[in-house]
Amino acid sequence: QLQLQESGPGLVKPSETLSLTCTVSGGSISSSSHYWAWIRQPPGKGLEWIGSIYYSGRPVYKPSLRSRVTISLEMSEKQFSLKLSSVTAADTAVYYCARDRGSPGPSDIWGQGTLVTVSS
Amino acid sequence: DIVMTQSPDSLTVSLGERATINCKSSQSVLDSSSNKNHLAWYQQKKGQPPNLLIYWASTRESGVPDRFSGSGSGTDFTLTISSLQAEDVAVYYCQQYYDTPRTFGQGTKVEIK
Repeated sequence: QLQLQESGPGLVKPSETLSLTCTVSGGSISSSSHYWAWIRQPPGKGLEWIGSIYYSGRPVYKPSLRSRVTISLEMSEKQFSLKLSSVTAADTAVYYCARDRGSPGPSDIWGQGTLVTVSS
Repeated sequence: DIVMTQSPDSLTVSLGERATINCKSSQSVLDSSSNKNHLAWYQQKKGQPPNLLIYWASTRESGVPDRFSGSGSGTDFTLTISSLQAEDVAVYYCQQYYDTPRTFGQGTKVEIK
C-alpha cells in the first residue's frame, strides 16, 4: 500500500527558506494517473492547498504563494519536495504531502504531516 | 479562487442521531462535459491527517462506512452522517478540485451531545 512520509527541519528562522521532502513508498511516483500535492494547516486552523506537481514535472501553485514556492519531483529517489522562501511566522503550520487521484481528483493518500515552526 | 463556505461551524449531535453539514461554493464545480461535481469531503480526527470520505460529491471512498453519504450538485452540497457514532467526532472539510488553487471549506467540528 502506498505511503507518504514528510521530512525536514522542524524549525526555520524568519526570512530563510523552508525545505521539506515527501518520500513515496509502496508504489510508483511516475504514475500518469496522479498528481503530488503539498497542503498546510496552521495550528488550530483549516487546510490550505499550496501546490501540486505531475510526473512530467509541471507544477501548479497557489497564486498568492507562487513567488515564494517551488515544488519539484525527484523520480529516481521517489521523492517530491517543497521549498518556501522568505518565511515568516505566518508560515508556521503542519505541512502535509498528499497524492491526488487523477487530475482533477481528490487527495486520497496523505502523509502524517510535519510541524514547521518559523521562529528566531 | 473558488470560495468554499461550510455551515454550521460546529455541530453537537446525540449518538445515533443524524448529522448534516452543508458546503456552498462561490461558483459551480460541476463539469458539464463529464456531469461530475468536483467536490470531496474529508474527516480529520485530532492529531491526524485528513481522511478522504467522499469524492465526486457522492461517491464513498473504499472502506468508509455507509452511514456517511454525500449529495448535491453545482454549488450546494451536503455531507450526512445517518447515525452518529462516537468515532465520528472530528472536523469535516469540503474541498473543490474543479479548479486551481484547490480550496477547502473552513471546517465543521462535530461533537457528541
